[in-house]
Formats: sequence, C-alpha cells, structure tokens
Amino acid sequence: GEDVEQSLFLSVREGDSSVINCTYTDSSSTYLYWYKQEPGAGLQLLTYIFSNMDMKQDQRLTVLLNKKDKHLSLRIADTQTGDSAIYFCAESLTGYSTLTFGKGTMLLVSP
Amino acid sequence: NAGVMQNPRHLVRRRGQEARLRCSPMKGHSHVYWYRQLPEEGLKFMVYLQKENIIDESGMPKERFSAEFPKEGPSILRIQQVVRGDSAAYFCASSPPTTGSPYEQYFGPGTRLTVT
Repeated sequence: GEDVEQSLFLSVREGDSSVINCTYTDSSSTYLYWYKQEPGAGLQLLTYIFSNMDMKQDQRLTVLLNKKDKHLSLRIADTQTGDSAIYFCAESLTGYSTLTFGKGTMLLVSP
Repeated sequence: NAGVMQNPRHLVRRRGQEARLRCSPMKGHSHVYWYRQLPEEGLKFMVYLQKENIIDESGMPKERFSAEFPKEGPSILRIQQVVRGDSAAYFCASSPPTTGSPYEQYFGPGTRLTVT
C-alpha cells in the first residue's frame, strides 16, 4: 500500500476551521511536511514538524503529530476562499532524503 | 532571491521525440530533486542530485530517462523516445547545503509535458 495516505477531499465554509489528516507507515520518518498546491502551480512549503515534536503552530496553521499512531494533521483556522487548494502531506527519513508524498487532499472553501 | 526556476513551463512532444526539462535551483542551493506528478496523483520521487553527482536515482525508470546537474548551468532531466505515459507534470525542488537549513525543499512551478 501507499506509504502516506490522505483523504481526497474536504469541503468547508469560509470562516470555519479545516482539519486535513494524514497517516504514514514508516516509523523511521523523521520529518513531516505539509505542502500546498494551487491549480497549475508548483508546491509551496507551508510548514514542517520534527518527529520529536507533538505540535507546531504558525499563525493560522497548527500541525499535530501523534507518533504512536503515525498520524499527522493540519488545522487551518478561519479558513478563507484563498485557502482552496490541494494539500500534500509528505515524509522524509532525514533532512536530505527524498520526500514521499500522499496523493493530496483537495480543500474547497465556499463563501 | 529568485525561486526555483524551471523551463519550459509547457512542453509538447510527439511520441518518439526527446524531451529536455531544465531546472535552476535557488541561489546557494546545491541539492536538486526531480519529482513526477501524474494526473490526480501525488508527487513521486525520481532522482536526487548534487553538483556533478547523482546521489539517488532509485525512482527513475531504468530506460529512456537520465538526469544531470553539471558544475555550471541548470539541472537537466532528459527523456528519450517519449511515450504517452510520460505525460505528466515534472517538478524540480532544491534545498540548501548541509551548513544551512536542510529540511526545506523548495519547488519550482513545474514543466507540464504532453506527449501526442
């Protein structure tokens, strides 16, 4: 099966919070990332978390890591229509190793 | 500081032709990664290079695909004798050398290859 799994679609209303979930299988994963891809564009690094952390907050973004369950989530507070995009979870074993991506979660924010 | 640059942004090739995709990493970055994104799929790793060295090519098809990152100039991903299944978006990413912050791969806008 896939090393990184994500739900494919999430729809929220503007102003609500969005929570995008991700599970991974490799317990050796050291770094976990969230990337955002807008239509026709490249990937934008949103945030990352080291495996020895439980939580990381950056403005409207909160990343939670449950290492025991190999579960990562991205919470976007006060979601805006501009947040509509595909969000990719990714893992790497070391800072310089390659990234393994999930298939992406399409977030649709309606007014 | 310019971001990762890729060109061309769109490339159309007929079956059997060659495709050359170029990637200029961010200034000061010495690590380059190539990924392929098939329609409605996530990105799949292809190859990881440093200047004049291929570090990991475990994701690259054994035939028709090659990559280089010369001492001078951009990194090149070359696909010979393209087939329809090569149609995809090809993304390049770069990251700083070990003395900097190693954990962040910065992606270019991608080259969208269409094989007709």
